[in-house]
Amino acid sequence: AQKVTQAQTEISVVEKEDVTLDCVYETRDTTYYLFWYKQPPSGELVFLIRRNSFDEQNEISGRYSWNFQKSTSSFNFTITASQVVDSAVYFCALSEARGNYGQNFVFGPGTRLSVLP
Amino acid sequence: NAGVTQTPKFQVLKTGQSMTLQCAQDMNHEYMSWYRQDPGMGLRLIHYSVGAGITDQGEVPNGYNVSRSTTEDFPLRLLSAAPSQTSVYFCASSYSIAGGAVGGRGNTEAFFGQGTRLTVV
Repeated sequence: AQKVTQAQTEISVVEKEDVTLDCVYETRDTTYYLFWYKQPPSGELVFLIRRNSFDEQNEISGRYSWNFQKSTSSFNFTITASQVVDSAVYFCALSEARGNYGQNFVFGPGTRLSVLP
Repeated sequence: NAGVTQTPKFQVLKTGQSMTLQCAQDMNHEYMSWYRQDPGMGLRLIHYSVGAGITDQGEVPNGYNVSRSTTEDFPLRLLSAAPSQTSVYFCASSYSIAGGAVGGRGNTEAFFGQGTRLTVV
């Protein structure tokens, strides 16, 4: 069965520090998709990135970067020069097939990031 | 765009009461699902639907019913609320694509509603 582990329950950093959020996944599928979502204090879930299992290129978007390593089943997320607005709970998720047409998400437990001024 | 709309945002129920959480999406997504979020456990799937008239159980379906009479709406019913159902509930929708090839199902992100915080006393 699919599983997503986020070993870091809570992380606190001081503003402008870099921080990496770890994500390790388990799946027997050869084709799968990984996602990161952000949940700010307001509670909504904000999509950040999608990566498929055939694309191991790292991706950078502004201060965010993602390191996908299939060999270690990891999809880590780094925030460079963190800001107070980055304070949120971050979820890593694995998309699994469901029936003939659907997909569902297996979420990790989340990492709560606090960026202190 | 409205996206995924959930109502209500907050609700307090007494044990044994029933209620329906509403979810509507305007993106013509075939696939809709309900999750509950509990501390330290991420989001867990309750029920899902691959289209109008088709629903199925997720990881934690007990105590919940769903129906899908239209593409847009996917309500979640609690028939007899219990304190264990105190949680934050999220409705999500996404594209539903047949097949397992790259670019097929699994390739789209889920769009989430803003959540319903439910307390059962």
